[in-house]
Amino acid sequence: LAKTTQPISMDSYEGQEVNITCSHNNIATNDYITWYQQFPSQGPRFIIQGYKTKVTNEVASLFIPADRKSSTLSLPRVSLSDTAVYYCLVGDRGAGGFKTIFGAGTRLFVKA
Amino acid sequence: NAGVTQTPKFRVLKTGQSMTLLCAQDMNHEYMYWYRQDPGMGLRLIHYSVGEGTTAKGEVPDGYNVSRLKKQNFLLGLESAAPSQTSVYFCASSYRSAVAGGPTGELFFGEGSRLTVL
Repeated sequence: LAKTTQPISMDSYEGQEVNITCSHNNIATNDYITWYQQFPSQGPRFIIQGYKTKVTNEVASLFIPADRKSSTLSLPRVSLSDTAVYYCLVGDRGAGGFKTIFGAGTRLFVKA
Repeated sequence: NAGVTQTPKFRVLKTGQSMTLLCAQDMNHEYMYWYRQDPGMGLRLIHYSVGEGTTAKGEVPDGYNVSRLKKQNFLLGLESAAPSQTSVYFCASSYRSAVAGGPTGELFFGEGSRLTVL
């Protein structure tokens, strides 16, 4: 079974770059890595998805090494509004077939 | 832009009562999903649908039933509610499948339905 491991929580200050690393040692060959952000009392929101090397969009970058056993979400110059839970997702192949599984996530707290 | 809309947003039930949560999406997505989220945990997939008229079990399907009679709607039913079903329920939809390998694209979530079973 694929499994992701992320830090439970992280603290940062406004204006800093934040890097959240996720390990996924058993990632399958054709699986993509996806990150979501969730604010309290809201549904998760898609941030970024990648397969290898580096992906960048208007809000974040995703770094994936060649072995793909981990990935790092990079948030440039965070603000107070980036305080949220961040989930790293990969596929999971169990008895019921393939699923995209949410783990417990990383709670990021941005301080002024 | 409505996106994914869930009703009701809050509900309190007594043990043994039944209810239905409605999810509606206006993005013409084939794939729809129901998740539950418990305190301090990630989301767990209850049931999903890969198209109108189809449903399938996710990680935690026991005690729930679903129906997808129309492409834009996905209903989650609790026939006999139990306190263990107290949770926040999220519906999501997607253009690509999140239950197959390869690029899954983006899941669009509703704002959640908070259910308390006494």
